Amino acid sequence: EDQVTQSPEALRLQEGESSSLNCSYTVSGLRGLFWYRQDPGKGPEFLFTLYSAGEEKEKERLKATLTKKESFLHITAPKPEDSATYLCAVHASLYSGGSNYKLTFGKGTLLTVNP
Amino acid sequence: KAGVTQTPRYLIKTRGQQVTLSCSPISGHRSVSWYQQTPGQGLQFLFEYFSETQRNKGNFPGRFSGRQFSNSRSEMNVSTLELGDSALYLCASRKIDTQYFGPGTRLTVL
Repeated sequence: EDQVTQSPEALRLQEGESSSLNCSYTVSGLRGLFWYRQDPGKGPEFLFTLYSAGEEKEKERLKATLTKKESFLHITAPKPEDSATYLCAVHASLYSGGSNYKLTFGKGTLLTVNP
Repeated sequence: KAGVTQTPRYLIKTRGQQVTLSCSPISGHRSVSWYQQTPGQGLQFLFEYFSETQRNKGNFPGRFSGRQFSNSRSEMNVSTLELGDSALYLCASRKIDTQYFGPGTRLTVL
């Protein structure tokens, strides 16, 4: 069974204090790893997709990286508006080319950035 | 381009009742998935529909069902509601391999 574990569960930063969120996964045949941001009372907002170890994606103050066992979401010089829950999810298929699409999510990291 | 829309946004029901939630995907997206989100379990996959066919199903009881129409709009039904069904129900539409989520329907079962 696919498993996704995110750490820490909660992280409190001061504005400008850079840090990283971790997502470790155990899957049979990774087809994609996804990062989403979720604000209270809203649906998750897509941030990045990573497909293979060594891949990196950047968007503003966020940078996502991927290894064979985990992914990191690096937040550089965060601002209060970066406060949200960050979700990691994997799409895995035992059989390549399978049509079954299902995301398995971690429980998220609640990030709070204080001014 | 309009995003995924879900109706209603909030719903209050009592135990034993049934409920139907609706989802309109992003134009051109043919895949619609449903997820249940609770504080304890996080986001859990319910099912995926593609071209009116259910292609994948999560580990939920048969009380949870869904369907997709020819215009890709989807509905999810929960029968015989239980207190534990209180959750945020999220719909997502997909193009290629990225899912885009709607705002969710907050269901409260009393």
